[in-house]
Parts: sequence; structure tokens; C-alpha cells
Amino acid sequence: GAGVSQSPSNKVTEKGKDVELRCDPISGHTALYWYRQSLGQGLEFLIYFQGNSAPDKSGLPSDRFSAERTGGSVSTLTIQRTQQEDSAVYLCASSPRTSGGEDEQFFGPGTRLTVL
Amino acid sequence: AQKVTQAQTEISVVEKEDVTLDCVYETRDTTYYLFWYKQPPSGELVFLIRRNSFDEQNEISGRYSWNFQKSTSSFNFTITASQVVDSAVYFCALSEMNYGGATNKLIFGTGTLLAVQP
Repeated sequence: GAGVSQSPSNKVTEKGKDVELRCDPISGHTALYWYRQSLGQGLEFLIYFQGNSAPDKSGLPSDRFSAERTGGSVSTLTIQRTQQEDSAVYLCASSPRTSGGEDEQFFGPGTRLTVL
Repeated sequence: AQKVTQAQTEISVVEKEDVTLDCVYETRDTTYYLFWYKQPPSGELVFLIRRNSFDEQNEISGRYSWNFQKSTSSFNFTITASQVVDSAVYFCALSEMNYGGATNKLIFGTGTLLAVQP
């Protein structure tokens, strides 16, 4: 079946603008995750969704970052008033279950965000 | 605190050489899971293996093998007879067992870039 998809694949924006990044998880996967991959910081966890709720938002770097998930499926990560340090690849992952921690996470191809 | 350390930033080998990628982890939990992911130049992370903290058996899958040692908090990955297609960044990651689903986040190491030269 289809894997995790993300759009856009690339996004170039100007400092101060808002951006929305989209993730379509694997159908039926209850858990959804956002991570960020940047040169200086490696792969960092941002937020975890269990269905439509987010019990762990501990990785969101500032209040400019927010995310939502609707219908237990699609998720949108929004970055307001983008800064140059937000430039990174944003990765989305999904997994079948929401408890246990043992499930493999299936990753999407990522969205490369460049803030000029 | 949870932490994963991959001390080798880059490794370069010649095809057919064996190579071991090191991973050392820290956790206070007694139940946890360890993962290896591969990120080829195309960018998409590919799952390789999962290990739980109660299973210290080594595992072999084709040219890949994993050595899990709780005594040294290590989960090392060996590629035997490396091939050019093995060139990628390899990430080790840790997930703690959680009850009630409070979080399932992965804590990643910084990755090891493996370059296999022909």
C-alpha cells in the first residue's frame, strides 16, 4: 500500500512568512510523529499524535510552531513568522499503534524548508 | 535522561570490507527498544531492525548483523562484505516503553555517514 506522503517536497519562503507542511500517514495508523532534521541538530522529535490529540508536544521549539491532526489522518505542521533557523527537513512518520513504544515508525520523504 | 551516542561521524571503507557502526545509549528505564534506520542519499529513512531490552540475542540478516550488549549499553551494527549500495547515513534510535501511550518518540543519535568506495 501507499507509504507516508508529505507535501510540498520543497518550500522556499521569506523570513517572517507563515508556512504549512502537510503529512498523510499510512491508512489505519493511529500514531503520527513530526521530526526535524537539520545540520546542527540532527534528528529532533517535535510532536506526537495519538489519534487527533497530541499528548507529547515537548519538542516544539517555540510557540511559533503548532500542529494539528484531523479525522485521525492528515496532519498539518504550521510555522508562523518563519526565521532562518527554521530551515531544515521536516519529517513525518506514522505507526500502527499508540502505546508501547515498540512499533516501527514509517517515515515520509520529508519537506525541505528554506527560509531566506 | 535518554541519550543515544554515535561517536563515528563518518566512515569510509572499500567495497568488500567489513564495517561496524557503534551505538551507545543511556536510559533510566528497564524496558526500552532500540532501532537502526538507514537514510540513503534519496533521503527517506528506512527501518532496519528493532530490539527490545529483554532480548540480548544477536541477530543476523544477510550481510547485516547486530550486537546488543546491555552490560555496556551498546547496540552495534556490522555490515559484512560492504557494497557501494550500503553508502548512507545510519541512525541508531531509542524508544522507551510507555504505559498509556504518553509518548512513543524516538531519540536519535547523530548518525554515521558510511561511504563505501568501489
